[in-house]
Amino acid sequence: KAGVTQTPRYLIKTRGQQVTLSCSPISGHRSVSWYQQTPGQGLQFLFEYFSETQRNKGNFPGRFSGRQFSNSRSEMNVSTLELGDSALYLCASSLLTQGAGETQYFGPGTRLLVL
Amino acid sequence: GDSVTQMEGPVTLSEEAFLTINCTYTATGYPSLFWYVQYPGEGLQLLLKATKADDKGSNKGFEATYRKETTSFHLEKGSVQVSDSAVYFCALLNQGGSEKLVFGKGTKLTVNP
Repeated sequence: KAGVTQTPRYLIKTRGQQVTLSCSPISGHRSVSWYQQTPGQGLQFLFEYFSETQRNKGNFPGRFSGRQFSNSRSEMNVSTLELGDSALYLCASSLLTQGAGETQYFGPGTRLLVL
Repeated sequence: GDSVTQMEGPVTLSEEAFLTINCTYTATGYPSLFWYVQYPGEGLQLLLKATKADDKGSNKGFEATYRKETTSFHLEKGSVQVSDSAVYFCALLNQGGSEKLVFGKGTKLTVNP
């Protein structure tokens, strides 16, 4: 079974632009979560989607948004990019047969550099 | 709120040495506990997990035991290899309905031949 895939793997943008990142979960997985990883702040939770609905959101500004499609694929969008948005963005999927608390499997990440 | 504290390192060991990376947590409720590993330029790989007190997770020679009385989940390996060089993250997932993983800051391990 294929793992979590993320595209693109690398991105370079300039301040003020916007960016869309894509995540395809493991086949059959219904929950997709997004995390930001930076050297200073470590790994921080952005948001989680299940059945096309955002169920949980971390402490990030409204410039960070996401959505999930009916096939469970997810996208996240960052508008009006700032230098501090440079990070590795990780997507994780989980099966969620029991509704919550199951293992999350991560993709390779998208490395975003904002100049 | 929930939090995870792990020794930050870096940790440098010789091949075949014993490894311990300490991890303690604070959480409301009864979380599941995880160790993830990140190799250079890659995402996170699940190393092992435990979902209830006294459970022992194990994989590839690594072990960790869920200790509720000390709120700890220390990672151990009896004999490390050069290929174990990576960053290790301890994490918790509170089973109260949120899929938010809370991570420690990571411990960089370097194993020298």
